[in-house]
Amino acid sequence: EDQVTQSPEALRLQEGESSSLNCSYTVSGLRGLFWYRQDPGKGPEFLFTLYSAGEEKEKERLKATLTKKESFLHITAPKPEDSATYLCAVQVGSYIPTFGRGTSLIVHP
Amino acid sequence: GAGVSQSPRYKVAKRGQDVALRCDPISGHVSLFWYQQALGQGPEFLTYFQNEAQLDKSGLPSDRFFAERPEGSVSTLKIQRTQQEDSAVYLCASSLAGGVANTGELFFGEGSRLTVL
Repeated sequence: EDQVTQSPEALRLQEGESSSLNCSYTVSGLRGLFWYRQDPGKGPEFLFTLYSAGEEKEKERLKATLTKKESFLHITAPKPEDSATYLCAVQVGSYIPTFGRGTSLIVHP
Repeated sequence: GAGVSQSPRYKVAKRGQDVALRCDPISGHVSLFWYQQALGQGPEFLTYFQNEAQLDKSGLPSDRFFAERPEGSVSTLKIQRTQQEDSAVYLCASSLAGGVANTGELFFGEGSRLTVL
């Protein structure tokens, strides 16, 4: 059973069209939830860590939020350079992040 | 360099061959992780080192997979008698802290893409 489920699997947006990516988790004892960005042919690049429900983090056009069951990555007025796969990961008890399958985002100019 | 370095970037092996993938983490990073990423999937955990100690190898899919980090820096992932299902990108990541101090901020290399024919 997947601990981390990301939706949608793929998302196409027009430049400037804001949207949100979802990461739901079924674990208990969450120590941290992480968002990463992965460009084709590259390794994932760290974006945010969220530790507790209600926490929010922002970076440029990205804003990550966390509840007790899920996290959202809000993308405001996206640009084509925001096109990438966005990965969510959870850390439970141990020190090993468990990743979801990712959301592939394409932003058209 | 300042980042995590992996080599080779691309490897083509015939079924049954042994392969070795190298990871050079960021200097001073205590934790080192290996992940396997199939096409269109998220990274799947393989094994974890804290310095030279392999603390978790629960993700290694079979006894054909072996990893080491003998001096607590460079790590090698070895796959013996490769099979077609081993075709994937193998990602190495390091982080500054170890154990429960690990914040989850991992620094990834660009990966080694293995294709088994």
